Amino acid sequence: NAGVTQTPKFQVLKTGQSMTLQCAQDMNHEYMSWYRQDPGMGLRLIHYSVGAGITDQGEVPNGYNVSRSTTEDFPLRLLSAAPSQTSVYFCASSPGIGRYEQYFGPGTRLTVT
Amino acid sequence: LAKTTQPISMDSYEGQEVNITCSHNNIATNDYITWYQQFPSQGPRFIIQGYKTKVTNEVASLFIPADRKSSTLSLPRVSLSDTAVYYCLVGYNNNDMRFGAGTRLTVKP
Repeated sequence: NAGVTQTPKFQVLKTGQSMTLQCAQDMNHEYMSWYRQDPGMGLRLIHYSVGAGITDQGEVPNGYNVSRSTTEDFPLRLLSAAPSQTSVYFCASSPGIGRYEQYFGPGTRLTVT
Repeated sequence: LAKTTQPISMDSYEGQEVNITCSHNNIATNDYITWYQQFPSQGPRFIIQGYKTKVTNEVASLFIPADRKSSTLSLPRVSLSDTAVYYCLVGYNNNDMRFGAGTRLTVKP
């Protein structure tokens, strides 16, 4: 199993550009989530999904969109990139919420200039 | 307001026991407490999870008092390779998962 994969590993965007961060898992997990990690602030939940076709907002959803058309994939879209979105983004999956271990991808380092 | 609080940093020496405490005053009744370890340029990795009292696995122990408003991760006999950032994760209102800001543990020889 590859586990949780994320692409790209690094990305530089100009302000106003849009892009999609890809996340895929091959463990048949129902729950998937996106976090951003900023220095001194830990990981903050952006969006999550409890199954295909179901998504919801986390702590910091503004400026991001998600969709979940399949169990395996959970892309994160930046609609109009801003310098405040410079961060490291992690995707995670787990069999469920709360009492389940989350498996994290290797992260995408995004810089917006 | 849901908030998970832990110390910013800790230092220790090889062979010592390290205890890292996390405060989570508003934890929901049915939520678990989970601890993760993170090395530079990697995603967090699961260490241990618990609901109440004490949980032990091959790498750590987790102590949770009866009121569940805090939890303590205990790492026995740390080595240099345990130098990392440790995060506690608590679920608030089921889906609102909140990480602490992380505790940077430095183990010295």
